[in-house]
Amino acid sequence: EIVLTQSPGTLSLSPGERATLSCRASQSISSSFLAWYQQKPGQAPRLLISGASSRATGIPDRFSGSGSGTDFTLTISRLEPEDFAVYYCQQYDTSYSFGQGTKLEIK
Amino acid sequence: QVQLVQSGAEVKQPGSSVKVSCKASGVTFSRFAITWVRQAPGQGLEWMGGIIPVFGTAKYAQKFQGRVTITTEESTTTAYMELSSLRSEDTAVYYCARWNAAGDFDYWGQGTLVTVSS
Repeated sequence: EIVLTQSPGTLSLSPGERATLSCRASQSISSSFLAWYQQKPGQAPRLLISGASSRATGIPDRFSGSGSGTDFTLTISRLEPEDFAVYYCQQYDTSYSFGQGTKLEIK
Repeated sequence: QVQLVQSGAEVKQPGSSVKVSCKASGVTFSRFAITWVRQAPGQGLEWMGGIIPVFGTAKYAQKFQGRVTITTEESTTTAYMELSSLRSEDTAVYYCARWNAAGDFDYWGQGTLVTVSS
């Protein structure tokens, strides 16, 4: 099973700042089968990024994904108040697994 | 517009089974792959399995093999997830989602809370 480790566990930033979230895989993920999701309290997850770097429909361009192999990054260029949430990475190369999540909180 | 609407919250006894439904609209159901993900209170996301109706066969996470059954009913465009031999650790919100051709999950239901308690 591919284990995804996200860091940091909690990220405290202010609106307008840049957020960088990391996701590291226990083995290489081929063809960039890596997605990012955002989840707010009491809501279902929302797909942000698929294929490591492709924004899902309707996702603002302040969200971007990058990386390959075992190291992937979600970047939010300028934080808006509605971006404070929990973010999960997911691999769908070998079966399916999620990282443990990064909580992005207001500083 | 794709919409997934799940059945309501359930309270179950340990050892029993639960069956959660997920009704899809705005889709061609036979080509609509559905997956199930659960989230225990305060915890992360856990993939359980999925099904592609046109093929009729489901794929399950190893952890749930033998305990979970995912089915679909094309006439009502509804998918079901049944989990048996429930224990307290199965208390969670269960989500259905569209299993995109690329492999990610792009539309989600609202979630169904299943509480296992005596």
